[in-house]
Amino acid sequence: EVQLVESGGGLVQPGRSLRLSCAASGFTFDDYAMHWVRQAPGKGLEWVSGISWNSGSIGYADSVKGRFTISRDNAKNSLYLQMNSLRAEDTALYYCAKELYSSSWYAFDIWGQGTMVTVSS
Amino acid sequence: SSELTQDPAVSVALGQTVRITCQGDSLRSYYASWYQQKPGQAPVLVIYGKNNRPSGIPDRFSGSSSGNTASLTITGAQAEDEADYYCNSRDSSGNHLRVFGGGTKLTVL
Repeated sequence: EVQLVESGGGLVQPGRSLRLSCAASGFTFDDYAMHWVRQAPGKGLEWVSGISWNSGSIGYADSVKGRFTISRDNAKNSLYLQMNSLRAEDTALYYCAKELYSSSWYAFDIWGQGTMVTVSS
Repeated sequence: SSELTQDPAVSVALGQTVRITCQGDSLRSYYASWYQQKPGQAPVLVIYGKNNRPSGIPDRFSGSSSGNTASLTITGAQAEDEADYYCNSRDSSGNHLRVFGGGTKLTVL
């Protein structure tokens, strides 16, 4: 079964750090780009960051650039998000997602169930 | 960075056809993908590429595109189609940048 399982969320004070993990199974992890997408309570989806299959290409949303770092370990079938200098507005459910792509389209075909991050004092 | 714009809410009578739209400059270069999200659940991909449905998605869901506008059409809407729908595309300003629309709440009357 193709599956993504996030972990590492929790309650953290503003300014502190947190590291999220995403464990992949059921597919050849190092064949695919992977992404983090978040959803604040009652709000829409927001793309956070993405990484190519070999970590050679990485992108970040402006809202997290310079504070968050995405990485992956293909030997461990795992995706990570290091979140530093956390702010209240980073409070959200964080999903990892597997990406399919062609020359003219990109799509997230597999999603995890998410891990909740709450930034509060 | 690019933006994708969706109507916040749309309603449709049971069994009728509804179109949900998404506008943005990046859609001139890339097809949108569409996601359905029900309360308390992760998003589910329903349409990608020119008009492709993942396995298990009913054929009443279809996609189309013209200029800077992508559309998701549900032909013969069912009660279980009531959900939030999001469009998504590559951001035209960067290889590994992506963007979501603000989402459309679909109500089936």
